[in-house]
Amino acid sequence: DSGVTQTPKHLITATGQRVTLRCSPRSGDLSVYWYQQSLDQGLQFLIQYYNGEERAKGNILERFSAQQFPDLHSELNLSSLELGDSALYFCASSGTFGGEQYFGPGTRLTVT
Amino acid sequence: AQSVTQLGSHVSVSEGALVLLRCNYSSSVPPYLFWYVQYPNQGLQLLLKYTTGATLVKGINGFEAEFKKSETSFHLTKPSAHMSDAAEYFCAVTGGGADGLTFGKGTHLIIQP
Repeated sequence: DSGVTQTPKHLITATGQRVTLRCSPRSGDLSVYWYQQSLDQGLQFLIQYYNGEERAKGNILERFSAQQFPDLHSELNLSSLELGDSALYFCASSGTFGGEQYFGPGTRLTVT
Repeated sequence: AQSVTQLGSHVSVSEGALVLLRCNYSSSVPPYLFWYVQYPNQGLQLLLKYTTGATLVKGINGFEAEFKKSETSFHLTKPSAHMSDAAEYFCAVTGGGADGLTFGKGTHLIIQP
């Protein structure tokens, strides 16, 4: 158990819909990262937040957004969903920049 | 910018044999390197990391990796494979700043009885 929690575990929704994925980092970690894992693209970094502020952006689509709240939990919002957005979405947390990242169990999103 | 190449999408070894999973990286800054393991339907678990200092890094479950700057490599080894080592292994790199990890495509390790 990494100490990072993600909800929900599974999500099935239709094209065009909007969903929110939630992540709680390990106790004391200020950085939260979001990743997408798909068969086509592999593991891709989406976005990073540090203590409530966006710090780095990766291959995140404009239809996707994230935020980190004062209690340090983070949410990833995916809108206007397409079939190709079906993937595993992981959250990771870290105590330091460049340090090891601890991954949550992931949310499996299926868009039908 | 960083990139990672993992040679061999599938590696098969016999139980008790040496495990060698290859990783080459490219980085415009001194790299921080990681190996993660993913079991089916689970998240990624950190095996080991290299940041600075000793180039031979020991991790969990008997795995180790050696950072070779001249070869831009960070290969993962284990002297004796166990059936429980069967999983997907990912090599990753970051520049150490406020940035995410760049992952390789992964190597599926198969252990033959």
